[in-house]
Amino acid sequence: GQNIDQPTEMTATEGAIVQINCTYQTSGFNGLFWYQQHAGEAPTFLSYNVLDGLEEKGRFSSFLSRSKGYSYLLLKELQMKDSASYLCAAQDSNYQLIWGAGTKLIIKP
Amino acid sequence: EAQVTQNPRYLITVTGKKLTVTCSQNMNHEYMSWYRQDPGLGLRQIYYSMNVEVTDKGDVPEGYKVSRKEKRNFPLILESPSPNQTSLYFCASSAWGVRPNTGELFFGEGSRLTVL
Repeated sequence: GQNIDQPTEMTATEGAIVQINCTYQTSGFNGLFWYQQHAGEAPTFLSYNVLDGLEEKGRFSSFLSRSKGYSYLLLKELQMKDSASYLCAAQDSNYQLIWGAGTKLIIKP
Repeated sequence: EAQVTQNPRYLITVTGKKLTVTCSQNMNHEYMSWYRQDPGLGLRQIYYSMNVEVTDKGDVPEGYKVSRKEKRNFPLILESPSPNQTSLYFCASSAWGVRPNTGELFFGEGSRLTVL
């Protein structure tokens, strides 16, 4: 079956670095997405990886290893506004997204 | 401004009373989708549409209907709502008619539905 696993909740300190991991199993693979969702709001796109390696975008970076079925989202210089849920989603051979349940990130001062 | 618009944003209804949640996008996207989000379960796809007059079931289609008569609109219909359909609903669209796909999903603001 198809499955996405990510931690339910993580806590980090303002100004620090946090890594949110995601493992996936899909029928075929056409890319890995990360979305950010603040409480009560719609998800917004953060990153897309289809090739192995690290993609950097400002304070946020996303890494993919296709052979290991593994991705992580790295957030640097954490700010209070980064408190949100982070959703990992893998795209299968039919280009449909398989979603993880999300990781709630709590930032403490 | 590029956007996906859902209505209503909030609705309280009673069991069995038919309702429609509208969704409209102004980005000329081929792909549209409906999700429901429940605590601890993440986003679950209800129905999706790859283009006009083409719709397919997602993971949790029971109790829902959709139609795609025009490219911009993708309404979600609950013919006879039940309390287990109380949820937060999101409509989303993407330019996924183009391959290879790097298209991100654009989400509406969400519709919070309560069925009593």
